[in-house]
Amino acid sequence: AQTVTQSQPEMSVQEAETVTLSCTYDTSESNYYLFWYKQPPSRQMILVIRQEAYKQQNATENRFSVNFQKAAKSFSLKISDSQLGDTAMYFCAFIESYGKLTFGQGTILTVHP
Amino acid sequence: GAVVSQHPSRVICKSGTSVKIECRSLDFQATTMFWYRQFPKQSLMLMATSNEGSKATYEQGVEKDKFLINHASLTLSTLTVTSAHPEDSSFYICSAKRGDSYNEQFFGPGTRLTVL
Repeated sequence: AQTVTQSQPEMSVQEAETVTLSCTYDTSESNYYLFWYKQPPSRQMILVIRQEAYKQQNATENRFSVNFQKAAKSFSLKISDSQLGDTAMYFCAFIESYGKLTFGQGTILTVHP
Repeated sequence: GAVVSQHPSRVICKSGTSVKIECRSLDFQATTMFWYRQFPKQSLMLMATSNEGSKATYEQGVEKDKFLINHASLTLSTLTVTSAHPEDSSFYICSAKRGDSYNEQFFGPGTRLTVL
């Protein structure tokens, strides 16, 4: 069975600094997608970034970037120039070919002014 | 585009009553919708996969008779919590898959259910 592990239950960072959230996963699939979702206090799930397993290049979206290490099954999220609005719970997720999302346990990120 | 709505956003009911939650894809057709349950500060747990025109597929441990799912059209799926009890109180989130691309899923804003 596919599993996603986020080993950091809580993280904090000062505004304007950089923070990295960790994620590891386990799968026997060769073709899959990895995601980072943000869930702010409103609890609306927001897609932050997506990575296709067959692409070696790490995905980036403005201040958000990933470090995708396929052999190590690692998928970390780096947030640069952290902003107060980045305060949220972040979920790493994995999707297999039939569309079932598997989520990690989540990391609560607090950005301090 | 790709907006998913849920109604109601909050519901409070008495123990023993049934509650229906609607999930709608507003600007696309969703052949597959998913229902999740989330407790405070915890992850999303998949309850069931809802396919238009067919029976839902429930995850292990989810009571089919307790959580009735109907996906009667390409834009609407409903979750009915039957004979609700306080332990059913939770945050319920739906998502919808657009088209044939298996990596496209869009989430509704969620429904907070409180059973007294």
